[in-house]
Amino acid sequence: KNEVEQSPQNLTAQEGEFITINCSYSVGISALHWLQQHPGGGIVSLFMLSSGKKKHGRLIATINIQEKHSSLHITASHPRDSAVYICAVSNSGYALNFGKGTSLLVTP
Amino acid sequence: DTGVSQDPRHKITKRGQNVTFRCDPISEHNRLYWYRQTLGQGPEFLTYFQNEAQLEKSRLLSDRFSAERPKGSFSTLEIQRTEQGDSAMYLCASSPRQGAAYEQYFGPGTRLTVT
Repeated sequence: KNEVEQSPQNLTAQEGEFITINCSYSVGISALHWLQQHPGGGIVSLFMLSSGKKKHGRLIATINIQEKHSSLHITASHPRDSAVYICAVSNSGYALNFGKGTSLLVTP
Repeated sequence: DTGVSQDPRHKITKRGQNVTFRCDPISEHNRLYWYRQTLGQGPEFLTYFQNEAQLEKSRLLSDRFSAERPKGSFSTLEIQRTEQGDSAMYLCASSPRQGAAYEQYFGPGTRLTVT
């Protein structure tokens, strides 16, 4: 089983700060996913990447395949970014293997 | 709404009762997944369908759990003789056929509380 570790577990930031959430995994993958979960349970896919870097608005995701590491960055953070951010990987099978999530609180 | 839907959104049941959850995936998606998420944890894989075929099951899926996708469209997840440890959020996701790696689209989940 691919072990997925996220850090930090909890993060509090002030509005406007630059935020980084890290994810590492133990074995080779076909893709890495970053997901966002708001209170109440709904999960939204933010990024799926297998190499390099992707950007969407204020969110940037990077992956280093050799180091088995990915980061999710949020620029100019806003209180509405408060959520749990989950890293997940897919291997040769199709099911996702999830980290425990990083709970982010952005205060005004 | 063309997203993944789940029904019911919340279910409270007494220990020992049977419960059934339904998931309607995005219509053109042939892959459907069930996950379980307990408080403070990331989701854990339960089972996966490609069309009507159940191709993979987790060891988490004990004999009390059964899932079906009879016509390759909606899916049901049944838990028999529920236990308090079954209390969790049950999430369904679907993904399309194309591509080497698949983005999964999640439903809102069914929160089960076993008293």
